[in-house]
Amino acid sequence: ETGVTQTPRHLVMGMTNKKSLKCEQHLGHNAMYWYKQSAKKPLELMFVYNFKEQTENNSVPSRFSPECPNSSHLFLHLHTLQPEDSALYLCASSQVRGYEQYFGPGTRLTVT
Amino acid sequence: AQTVTQSQPEMSVQEAETVTLSCTYDTSENNYYLFWYKQPPSRQMILVIRQEAYKQQNATENRFSVNFQKAAKSFSLKISDSQLGDTAMYFCAFMKHVRLIQGAQKLVFGQGTRLTINP
Repeated sequence: ETGVTQTPRHLVMGMTNKKSLKCEQHLGHNAMYWYKQSAKKPLELMFVYNFKEQTENNSVPSRFSPECPNSSHLFLHLHTLQPEDSALYLCASSQVRGYEQYFGPGTRLTVT
Repeated sequence: AQTVTQSQPEMSVQEAETVTLSCTYDTSENNYYLFWYKQPPSRQMILVIRQEAYKQQNATENRFSVNFQKAAKSFSLKISDSQLGDTAMYFCAFMKHVRLIQGAQKLVFGQGTRLTINP
């Protein structure tokens, strides 16, 4: 595998379910990001991790819980989501002091 | 706070034509980076071109070039000899200059322009 991978690519979940999104980067980077892409809004940054430490939480509701066990892996744990949380969730990585972010293919999430 | 505005929700041109996508931004920073990202139907966000604000020369990457007007806070993307594979959403994005004492910097995106290249 090369670049940034995300699993699953598609996810349908009920409002009472618990699920997790996974992101893995194979680029030797040390910063990772979660973005949300909704149909009618610009991409929104959700979380930033530098060297496994969360450095930004962009006022994200607590039903989204990120986890970064090491510099290569990033998870987004989901529970009791709302239909308006349906979106494309993109993961990205970069060097901490770099300017170029590399994106994964995204997970299309549908909350029913 | 920084904002990025793309005023063209959709554009459509014929193959081989030249097309220009517009982007304006608002910031009080003097040093920053500007980017154009492409998102084809596969959803993979791909960096097309970047511009450092301190550089006066406009960036070019093969058929892609920018017109960077710092005073006007304008950053347009020109695609020459457009190809069917250029069909995608294009996003303009802003990032503050990365200082040594700071960590990773976030990208601020515009709303995107859906570009269709017709055969």
